[in-house]
Amino acid sequence: DVKVTQSSRYLVKRTGEKVFLECVQDMDHENMFWYRQDPGLGLRLIYFSYDVKMKEKGDIPEGYSVSREKKERFSLILESASTNQTSMYLCASSTPIGLAGDTDTQYFGPGTRLTVL
Amino acid sequence: LAKTTQPISMDSYEGQEVNITCSHNNIATNDYITWYQQFPSQGPRFIIQGYKTKVTNEVASLFIPADRKSSTLSLPRVSLSDTAVYYCLVVISSGSARQLTFGSGTQLTVLP
Repeated sequence: DVKVTQSSRYLVKRTGEKVFLECVQDMDHENMFWYRQDPGLGLRLIYFSYDVKMKEKGDIPEGYSVSREKKERFSLILESASTNQTSMYLCASSTPIGLAGDTDTQYFGPGTRLTVL
Repeated sequence: LAKTTQPISMDSYEGQEVNITCSHNNIATNDYITWYQQFPSQGPRFIIQGYKTKVTNEVASLFIPADRKSSTLSLPRVSLSDTAVYYCLVVISSGSARQLTFGSGTQLTVLP
């Protein structure tokens, strides 16, 4: 079974703090994603990565950065946390679409509920 | 940017068939729709995926009409444990670029 783990289930930080959210997957997936989930807004893509040291902005990258130094690990960084970044953060991984028709199914971690005070 | 629309909520009774529709901009023949199920305090879980017409697996069916402006997730004979939020995901490919857009989710409540 694919396993995607996130470093914390719950996290409380103060405004202005630097926050690291870690995500690790054990299936050698090339693709990794960070989303935030808010009531009524569904999942919104923050950043994604298709390879080590590679990153692409999603729909809402402002206020966030990412790091992918190793294939299995994708980190989301809040340089200076703000109260509007209080949210559920979800990490996912997938294999890319291949000639054989691989369907790029995303496997999600359990989420990190971040509260910024 | 693709936009997807789903009903906010639906109620059903045990044993009924439930159909949840996701409306989206026209998608190309090589773009696909995926549906996920999410329980409280868990990440979304894959249900079904398809490019066209009809796909069926052991838990659901996915219907995509010819105009590709929508897709419908069909859950046969729901049970109480199917109470969850259901999300559609549209992935649009353009060359090497991909655009991923989730719907805002549909809360399905199955009643006894």
